[in-house]
Amino acid sequence: DIQMTQSPSSLSASVGDRVTITCQASQDISNYLNWYQQKPGKAPKLLIYDASNLETGVPSRFSGSGSGTDFTFTISSLQPEDIATYYCQQYDNLLLFTFGPGTKVDIK
Amino acid sequence: QVQLQESGPGLVKPSETLSLTCTVSGGSISSYYWSWIRQPPGKGLEWIGYIYYSGSTNYNPSLKSRVTISVDTSKNQFSLKLSSVTAADTAVYYCARIDGYGDDLRYYYYMDVWGKGTTVTVSS
Repeated sequence: DIQMTQSPSSLSASVGDRVTITCQASQDISNYLNWYQQKPGKAPKLLIYDASNLETGVPSRFSGSGSGTDFTFTISSLQPEDIATYYCQQYDNLLLFTFGPGTKVDIK
Repeated sequence: QVQLQESGPGLVKPSETLSLTCTVSGGSISSYYWSWIRQPPGKGLEWIGYIYYSGSTNYNPSLKSRVTISVDTSKNQFSLKLSSVTAADTAVYYCARIDGYGDDLRYYYYMDVWGKGTTVTVSS
């Protein structure tokens, strides 16, 4: 099984700050990595697919990068509406999906 | 605009079978994979499994022995059955569409449409 880790588990930042979240896979997953945003009480929302592609309609302040085992998710300028938990998700060649443990983002 | 709606009992007794249905509206169930994901209270997301519209399935190995996902294309619905439930199965259950793109060499997948989720509590 491929294990996913995320860091930090939570962070607090000011409006306008650059926020970076990392996701690490236990083995090479190429760029089979997606990022989701989940606001409290809501369903997850797809933000980034195959590591770096922005889903249609998602603000350009969100971005992703990486390949292999190490991935980065960035919010270039944190906005109040970005308060949420962010999850990475990988899938392997058997199309088994795994979510990372999540990173909770708050406003300082 | 495709929309998904989960439905089913909100309370299930221990040792019984949890049954949920996801209804797809605004589009066809054909040509996609359809997935179930759950989230225990205060915890992260856990992928349960998926079904292709043609009926092929794939399950999380940790749940495989208890999970069955089926599809009814005539009703534009797919369903989840989880047997022998315990309190640990208490969660919000989401259904989602898996879309993808690519070529013969590489194909990419992502969950682009989600239902709002339904809370299932396992308790006597």
